Amino acid sequence: AQSVTQLGSHVSVSEGALVLLRCNYSSSVPPYLFWYVQYPNQGLQLLLKYTTGATLVKGINGFEAEFKKSETSFHLTKPSAHMSDAAEYFCAVTSNTGFQKLVFGTGTRLLVSP
Amino acid sequence: GAVVSQHPSRVICKSGTSVKIECRSLDFQATTMFWYRQFPKKSLMLMATSNEGSKATYEQGVEKDKFLINHASLTLSTLTVTSAHPEDSSFYICSAKAGRFAGELFFGEGSRLTVL
Repeated sequence: AQSVTQLGSHVSVSEGALVLLRCNYSSSVPPYLFWYVQYPNQGLQLLLKYTTGATLVKGINGFEAEFKKSETSFHLTKPSAHMSDAAEYFCAVTSNTGFQKLVFGTGTRLLVSP
Repeated sequence: GAVVSQHPSRVICKSGTSVKIECRSLDFQATTMFWYRQFPKKSLMLMATSNEGSKATYEQGVEKDKFLINHASLTLSTLTVTSAHPEDSSFYICSAKAGRFAGELFFGEGSRLTVL
């Protein structure tokens, strides 16, 4: 079975500050890991994903995440927050058998203040 | 990327009626689609896996007779909430697996159902 834990249901940062959203996973098989962003009343948009290869992955909108197997983590970062980054962020995991059945974390709401 | 569209984006219905939500893959064929339910301030819960031409596979605890899923073509899956009740009010999101994008999932915009 796979699971995802996102620490902190809310994270508040000032515009221009570092964004760090935490994600830890549990998986008995090599995981595929994802970060999605959701704006109010909208679907999910993929920010970035890790499948194989380079453990530091870069996504859209300046976000990046690093897969750390020893720590079972896949934290999302952005050097400088923008007001438009305010949204709900979900970390998700699936197995390496073909993107089946994503298991989502409970989400972290990012609040950005001027 | 690939585009997945849901319709309607918002629907309000009376208790006891049935509501159909469509999920379409606009520029690719999707043999597999997934239906999620999202409760307020909660994560997404996978309801069922929809396979073209065969019966959907439901997750444990999801009522098959309440949430009817039909995947009649390679570009369309439908979710019908039968005899809807206020507790069925939720945000329903579909996703489709796009083969030409190495099986990556693309999500629809979501459909907000409100049952009065």
